Amino acid sequence: GAVVSQHPSRVICKSGTSVKIECRSLDFQATTMFWYRQFPKKSLMLMATSNEGSKATYEQGVEKDKFLINHASLTLSTLTVTSAHPEDSSFYICSASSSGESTDTQYFGPGTRLTVL
Amino acid sequence: QQPVQSPQAVILREGEDAVINCSSSKALYSVHWYRQKHGEAPVFLMILLKGGEQKGHDKISASFNEKKQQSSLYLTASQLSYSGTYFCGTSNRDDKIIFGKGTRLHILP
Repeated sequence: GAVVSQHPSRVICKSGTSVKIECRSLDFQATTMFWYRQFPKKSLMLMATSNEGSKATYEQGVEKDKFLINHASLTLSTLTVTSAHPEDSSFYICSASSSGESTDTQYFGPGTRLTVL
Repeated sequence: QQPVQSPQAVILREGEDAVINCSSSKALYSVHWYRQKHGEAPVFLMILLKGGEQKGHDKISASFNEKKQQSSLYLTASQLSYSGTYFCGTSNRDDKIIFGKGTRLHILP
């Protein structure tokens, strides 16, 4: 199957700082990338959908000014958590899809565990 | 609308069978099944699009009922490697995929 990477895999930061997470599709072009947040033993909560070259679509309740998403190319999307606080600590997972259609497979990255002190 | 998965958790001995269900109150356009091991990314298992469809191989297979409101994942003669949390993701046409709360499967040797 297709490979999606995320960097970093773990990050610990101080409250108030910003953290950037990268999501790359390594062997295919991803028209659409999705960003999820997952709490321990919970489901995947979709935060936003990003399409290459356009603004991301955020889910209800997700602050777009706090979670900045950039999808600059067909192989790279970034999520920046701005002015991070302890409640932002979570497991962030991206997925990539070649078409973004709901019938298309989403390939998930390995996730990034963010801890905000 | 989030699909409902059942059971929430199941413990089996190696070699036993398991069925995980995923249901919706409305007809669906697609159902995706994933398995996630602790601390790792979800891994794609299969996607179902047609009512009455069955797919997979003899060990892991899935079905989508005629009304397209329920899907079941079948794990036959389970192996230790099958342990993990199974998620179904469902969508309506032209809409995003919404994941269920997951079913935790633990296989005992």
